[in-house]
Amino acid sequence: DIVMTQSPDSLAVSLGERATINCKSSQSVLHSSSKNSLAWYQQKPGQPPKLLIYWASTRESGVPDRFSGSGSGTDFTLTISSLQAEDVAVYYCQQYYSTHTFGQGTKLEIK
Amino acid sequence: EVQLVESGGGLVQPGGSLRLSCEASGYTFSTYWMSWVRQAAGKGLEWVANINEDGSEKRYVDSVKGRFTISRDNAKNSLYLQMNSLRAEDTAVYYCARRGYMDVWGKGIAVTVSS
Repeated sequence: DIVMTQSPDSLAVSLGERATINCKSSQSVLHSSSKNSLAWYQQKPGQPPKLLIYWASTRESGVPDRFSGSGSGTDFTLTISSLQAEDVAVYYCQQYYSTHTFGQGTKLEIK
Repeated sequence: EVQLVESGGGLVQPGGSLRLSCEASGYTFSTYWMSWVRQAAGKGLEWVANINEDGSEKRYVDSVKGRFTISRDNAKNSLYLQMNSLRAEDTAVYYCARRGYMDVWGKGIAVTVSS
């Protein structure tokens, strides 16, 4: 099974500053199609997760462009370029290359 | 509007059974893989099972193999999760979600396994 490990577990960033969350998979999630089967989700308390990014770097429709995803193979990053108050949430990465596994989550707070 | 609505949760004793349902609307249900994902209180997300478009392929996380069965009825636009031999550690909110990168989620349904 593919294990997904996020870092850090929690993060405090000032409003307007950049937030960076990392995700590492135990094996490559790069398909022969040259697409990485990696997604990012945002979850706020009492709500289901919301898809932000898929194929590692494709932003879901309606997601603000301050959210971006990068990386390939086993190492991935979610970047929020300018943190807004409404971005406080827990963020998860997920691989869908071989069944599915999620990272343990990163709690993002305002400093 | 694309929507998923779960039902069938509740309180059940250890060793008991429960059947969750997920009704889809607003899209062609039969053309998408579907998954169940669960989340224990204060914990992270755990994928439980998924099923392909026509129900011929089913996959499970190791901890539920032999106890849970995923199925679907495309004529009823519905996804199911039959949960048998339930354990305390199965207590969670269960979500249904559409496709591999999960672009549509239900609001979730609570399952509590306790005596």
